[in-house]
Amino acid sequence: NAGVTQTPKFQVLKTGQSMTLQCAQDMNHNSMYWYRQDPGMGLRLIYYSASEGTTDKGEVPNGYNVSRLNKREFSLRLESAAPSQTSVYFCASSNRVDTQYFGPGTRLTVL
Amino acid sequence: KNEVEQSPQNLTAQEGEFITINCSYSVGISALHWLQQHPGGGIVSLFMLSSGKKKHGRLIATINIQEKHSSLHITASHPRDSAVYICAVKVGNNDMRFGAGTRLTVKP
Repeated sequence: NAGVTQTPKFQVLKTGQSMTLQCAQDMNHNSMYWYRQDPGMGLRLIYYSASEGTTDKGEVPNGYNVSRLNKREFSLRLESAAPSQTSVYFCASSNRVDTQYFGPGTRLTVL
Repeated sequence: KNEVEQSPQNLTAQEGEFITINCSYSVGISALHWLQQHPGGGIVSLFMLSSGKKKHGRLIATINIQEKHSSLHITASHPRDSAVYICAVKVGNNDMRFGAGTRLTVKP
């Protein structure tokens, strides 16, 4: 089992560029999450998906869109990147007892 | 004020010491999680609590729902315990709120 995988691991963008962060899990979990982690602020929830076909906004959704492509995959899209979106992004999934399993993270820099 | 506050922010201990990390929260929750973030960045879930106490090896987590407070204890600390420990609370069905983390360094 690979658990939760994320691609890419690192990315540098220029302001205004777009990109999609990919996340996949092989644990048959219903719930999936996207977080960002900034120094001194802790993790913040961007979007989550309680099940295939549903998505909901978290604490900081502005500037992002998500797609729950199927039960395995949950992608995060930045349509027009801004320097304020420089962060480390973590994808996670959870089982019915709520233990969260995290991916290795994507370090994004927006210049 | 953050909904989830952790203390201390940084903690340095000598190998073998008993360690306590505290978490206070100001919102209604359905569960509380303790996570460990390794120096390389990976995040691992340690505990999920909704009441009482849980123990796993040298780690003990407690929660007091009335006081909105949880503690994570590490007995006989070891340098490999050096990491950032994060408290997180589940609000509603799926929303999670996180503390800023406690950076623990255990010296040999």
